[in-house]
Parts: sequence; C-alpha cells; structure tokens
Amino acid sequence: GAGVSQSPSNKVTEKGKDVELRCDPISGHTALYWYRQSLGQGLEFLIYFQGNSAPDKSGLPSDRFSAERTGGSVSTLTIQRTQQEDSAVYLCASRGQLNSGYTFGSGTRLTVV
Amino acid sequence: AQSVTQPDIHITVSEGASLELRCNYSYGATPYLFWYVQSPGQGLQLLLKYFSGDTLVQGIKGFEAEFKRSQSSFNLRKPSVHWSDAAEYFCAVGGDSWGKLQFGAGTQVVVTP
Repeated sequence: GAGVSQSPSNKVTEKGKDVELRCDPISGHTALYWYRQSLGQGLEFLIYFQGNSAPDKSGLPSDRFSAERTGGSVSTLTIQRTQQEDSAVYLCASRGQLNSGYTFGSGTRLTVV
Repeated sequence: AQSVTQPDIHITVSEGASLELRCNYSYGATPYLFWYVQSPGQGLQLLLKYFSGDTLVQGIKGFEAEFKRSQSSFNLRKPSVHWSDAAEYFCAVGGDSWGKLQFGAGTQVVVTP
C-alpha cells in the first residue's frame, strides 16, 4: 500500500480482555517496528521485525505482550489480560532501505476501562 | 547505549518568527538522525533525516537541521513559522543498521498570532 495502515484506529476494551492490533506495512518493506506512546512515557520501542523474525523484542513490557509477523508483511500485536496501564497509542512503522526513514502509521488508540 | 535529549518541553513562538528546536544525542557509532512532527491525533511525519554528507539538511515544510558532531547536536530550524507548524516535534537517533529508533521526549510548539 501507499502508507502504513493500522487497525483499528480506536479500541476500547474492558480490563482483563485480550486485544489484537494490526499493522499493514508498506509493500516490500522488510523491517517493521512497534512503538507505544503514552502520556509521561513518550515513545517507547516495543519490538522490531526483519522479515518474519524478531531480532529485538527488548521493549515488550511484560509477557502479556506478544507480536508476530507472517509472510513478511502484516504484523499483529497482541496484549493479553489488558490492564489500565496498557492504555496508550500503539504506533507501527516500516522501513524499506537502510538510508530511508521509518514511515509511521496513524496508530491505534487503546483505552482499557 | 543510545539516547536523545530535547531540552525544551514546550516552546511558544509568534507567527512569522524564527524557530529553533534543540536536540542532543548520545550514540557510540555513526548516528542516523531524524526529526519527526506529530499533529494532534496523527501519526509521526518525517521532516528530515541525516545519514552522511552535507551537515545542513533540508526537509519538508521549510525546515532544516544542522548536524554538529563536535556538539552531538542536531538542531531543527525554521526561519518563519506558520500557525500550521503548531505540533509536537521529536528528534530520534538510530544506527547504520536495521535496529530501532531512539526518540527524545518531544518539544511541544505553540504558535501565537
């Protein structure tokens, strides 16, 4: 696609429920990144994919968070047993070449009530 | 470890006046440097990037940034701001690899008439 697409754009969920956030990167971009943006925490790196593998998962805050990428394209970030502190905007980015920028999607705003 | 400092959390500037946003980084190898802008409710838009070569980089929307290795700085400038420049600005550093970007905390820019 022309840009990085994220869905849903907004998600309200009850505490304790599981949620899945989807990222569709720019076609042909091998690298995909997930970030979280919350008040007071800025932009936090979560995980990075190169193809279908994740060389860097260091930012995942707990084992409730997981992500996968299939076919070197779409990625899903799953949060199990959501907590109120998971409320944030989750941003996805992709990158096609080393000398190019990281292109971000518009994000998914997650609210846990 | 890489880190980015944006010393100014908030800047107010009059429309038509010049703007300079500061960014200092710490990185052990050759840094790739970026400036992104985020308008309310939007994702991150790349303004400009520096990888190598000319240390004065031109970007979109009339912005430019200067890389100063001796000062570990990558300050963003615009000669004359427009009301539409009101947004949050993020400086980021990455390496010459596929890994993550490290973001600064951001600078909120308010433009007054």
